[in-house]
Amino acid sequence: EVHMEESGGGLVKPGGSLRLSCATSGFTFNSYSMNWVRQAPGKGLEWVSSISHDTTYIFYADSVKGRFTVSRDNTKNVLFLEMDNLRAEDTGVYYCARDPGICDMTNCYEVFDKWGQGTRVAVSS
Amino acid sequence: DIQMTQSPSSLSASVGDRVAITCRASQNINKYLNWYRQQPGKAPELLIFAASNLQNGVPPRFSGSGSGTEFILTISSLQPEDSATYYCQQSHNGPPLTFGGGTKVVLK
Repeated sequence: EVHMEESGGGLVKPGGSLRLSCATSGFTFNSYSMNWVRQAPGKGLEWVSSISHDTTYIFYADSVKGRFTVSRDNTKNVLFLEMDNLRAEDTGVYYCARDPGICDMTNCYEVFDKWGQGTRVAVSS
Repeated sequence: DIQMTQSPSSLSASVGDRVAITCRASQNINKYLNWYRQQPGKAPELLIFAASNLQNGVPPRFSGSGSGTEFILTISSLQPEDSATYYCQQSHNGPPLTFGGGTKVVLK
């Protein structure tokens, strides 16, 4: 059974740092692209970052570029998000999400087929 | 970046009702459109991928249609567990992968 569990959230002051982790099991982690998606309190979903299975391709939302760093340890099946220079608007629940890269005859589609339960980040003085 | 607009932002319906939610893209995204359900206090779950493909394990009362710029998620017979917020998400040309603003479905 696929299991994904985020950790590392908490309360931090503006300008501070946090490192989120997403521990996974039940699937071949090094075969999947992984993502971080966040949700501000009472708001919708916002994609944050993607990392390909072998770290060749890494992408960030403009809102976090230059402040957040995504990485992965394929030997330990863990995804990370290093968050620096945090702002109040970074407050929310952070989810890790798996992307199986589903393909049909002509195209491949980036989808989030499995999600963790989320970890809360609060940025406040 | 591609903008996704969902309508309505909320709706109220009864168990057994047919419900339709629309998602519009700011440009042609072919069939690069997925739908998710987020029940209160839970993580989102994938319902439909590539506009019309039902994810494994998702009840067949859910269906998706559309291509280009307009897409529809239909729930053929609303169930109590469908009281949730629904999101569309596009993946045309890769990141950024943008979501719609969400549609909250409330049971009468």
